[in-house]
Amino acid sequence: EAGVAQSPRYKIIEKRQSVAFWCNPISGHATLYWYQQILGQGPKLLIQFQNNGVVDDSQLPKDRFSAERLKGVDSTLKIQPAKLEDSAVYLCASSPSNTEAFFGQGTRLTVV
Amino acid sequence: GDSVTQMEGPVTLSEEAFLTINCTYTATGYPSLFWYVQYPGEGLQLLLKATKADDKGSNKGFEATYRKETTSFHLEKGSVQVSDSAVYFCALHPWPADYKLSFGAGTTVTVRA
Repeated sequence: EAGVAQSPRYKIIEKRQSVAFWCNPISGHATLYWYQQILGQGPKLLIQFQNNGVVDDSQLPKDRFSAERLKGVDSTLKIQPAKLEDSAVYLCASSPSNTEAFFGQGTRLTVV
Repeated sequence: GDSVTQMEGPVTLSEEAFLTINCTYTATGYPSLFWYVQYPGEGLQLLLKATKADDKGSNKGFEATYRKETTSFHLEKGSVQVSDSAVYFCALHPWPADYKLSFGAGTTVTVRA
């Protein structure tokens, strides 16, 4: 079974630039999560989708971050404009229901 | 809201030592509890889980018991190896609810030969 795919693996951008991350969840998984993991900290939930609807985006900085899930499958997370404090690993995960989540390798973003 | 509090690290051990990482939770209802592991340079992987009180999750020599009376889910391993060096995260999935998965801050474990 293919796992959660994320791209790119690494990205370096200058502050005030924009960036987008892509995630392809495991086939059939209704729930999709985006987490931000700052170095030395636990993952922080940014947004959670159930199929193509948003369940929780309470911690998403909506002035600069946006996310969508196309047709309840793939998802993109965008940051515009980026700030230095956005440097982190962005993790995508999917889950078939209220069980464990399966994580992708993550995208390491460095904002300089 | 529902949350987990995890023992702070880092933890440094010698090979074959006993490892325990404390995790306590705050939740309404009956959450599922998880331990995830992140090896250097890799993504998060599920290590073990327990979905109801008194359940014991186990995998790769690690164990954790869901204790409702103490709201705890401590991770233990009797004899660690160098390959167990990683960051360990306790996580909670509330039920019934909206499937939100919340993580602790993580505990870095280093095992020396």
